[in-house]
Amino acid sequence: EVQLVQSGAEVKKPGESLKISCQGSGYSFTSYWIGWVRQMPGKGLEWMGIIYPGDSDTKYSPSFQGQVTISADKSITTAYLQWSSLKASDTAMYYCARRPFDGSYLSPDYWGQGTLVTVSS
Amino acid sequence: DIQMTQSPSSLSASVGDRVTITCRASQGIRNDLGWYQQKPGKAPKRLIYAASSLQSGVPSRFSGSASGTEFTLTISSLQPEDFATYYCLQHNSYPWTFGQGTKVEIK
Repeated sequence: EVQLVQSGAEVKKPGESLKISCQGSGYSFTSYWIGWVRQMPGKGLEWMGIIYPGDSDTKYSPSFQGQVTISADKSITTAYLQWSSLKASDTAMYYCARRPFDGSYLSPDYWGQGTLVTVSS
Repeated sequence: DIQMTQSPSSLSASVGDRVTITCRASQGIRNDLGWYQQKPGKAPKRLIYAASSLQSGVPSRFSGSASGTEFTLTISSLQPEDFATYYCLQHNSYPWTFGQGTKVEIK
């Protein structure tokens, strides 16, 4: 069974660093892109970026380039999203999602349960 | 960047109604579009992929279609469990972009 399990909720102060995780299981982790999506409170979905764990090829949305870092450790089938200096505006739910390939690349199928990040002084 | 214009932003409908939600892409995206349903406090769930293919396990009352750069999600007979927010997502080129969402509420 394919599963993406994300790390737990975080409460941080502005200026602190943070790394959240998304562990994949039940499939070949290195063969599927993993993307990250932000959802601010009461708002819609925003695509942040995506990584191919097989070779760590990474694409970022211009809106998030330089604001976050996406990485992956294939030895433990885990993708990461990290911040070096959080802002209050980073308060949101963050989802990871797998991009399947079936002859051509398709829209994300399996999603993590989400990680709520709260940044408050 | 490709813009996805989704309409309406919200709608009120009754059980049994036929509901149509549209996404228009600012440029051609072939059929690289998915439709998602999101309920409060839950992760998005894929309903349709490749513009018109029904996700396994999703009821057949959901369907997707495409005409040029206009994509449509149709719920043929709205059920109580379908009240949720729906999003389209284009993944043809980076950066991927979501539509603004359509909240389907009970009339």
